[in-house]
Amino acid sequence: NAGVTQTPKFQVLKTGQSMTLQCAQDMNHNSMYWYRQDPGMGLRLIYYSASEGTTDKGEVPNGYNVSRLNKREFSLRLESAAPSQTSVYFCASRLSGGGTQYFGPGTRLLVL
Amino acid sequence: TQLLEQSPQFLSIQEGENLTVYCNSSSVFSSLQWYRQEPGEGPVLLVTVVTGGEVKKLKRLTFQFGDARKDSSLHITAAQPGDTGLYLCAGAINNQGGKLIFGQGTELSVKP
Repeated sequence: NAGVTQTPKFQVLKTGQSMTLQCAQDMNHNSMYWYRQDPGMGLRLIYYSASEGTTDKGEVPNGYNVSRLNKREFSLRLESAAPSQTSVYFCASRLSGGGTQYFGPGTRLLVL
Repeated sequence: TQLLEQSPQFLSIQEGENLTVYCNSSSVFSSLQWYRQEPGEGPVLLVTVVTGGEVKKLKRLTFQFGDARKDSSLHITAAQPGDTGLYLCAGAINNQGGKLIFGQGTELSVKP
């Protein structure tokens, strides 16, 4: 099992460009999450999908959109990147019912 | 907005010393999780505490959940350089799709 995989690992964008961060899990988990991590702020939830076919906003959803493509895949899209979106983005998945969240290795994004 | 205050934010100690990290909130959590994160990787779960007053031990690490389930602590005995890393606490809220509220993190450095 690869667990949770994320692509790309690194990305540099110019302000206004768009991109999609990909996340996939092979653990047959129901719930998936997107977080951003900034120095001194821990992880903040952007969007989550409690189950296939549903998505909900988290703490900091502005400037992002998500798609739960199927049970395995949950993508995060930046339509018009801003320097404030420079961060490390983590995807996580969870079976449900209070189970452990498993995190991917992260995508480091720099917006110039 | 639920907040989880984690302290201290930075800790630099010598090998063999003891340390305690605290997480405090005004909110009640259904469970409290502690993660450890290495540079360039995603957080990895260390432990989950569920019951008020619960104490769990993982080798030299002792985790405690407050009686009211609003706070938690992590105590490391005789710290080793291998304990160096970022420690994160995260609280789970009942009936919220597995969402976690993360503390700001504690950057621990243990010098030989």
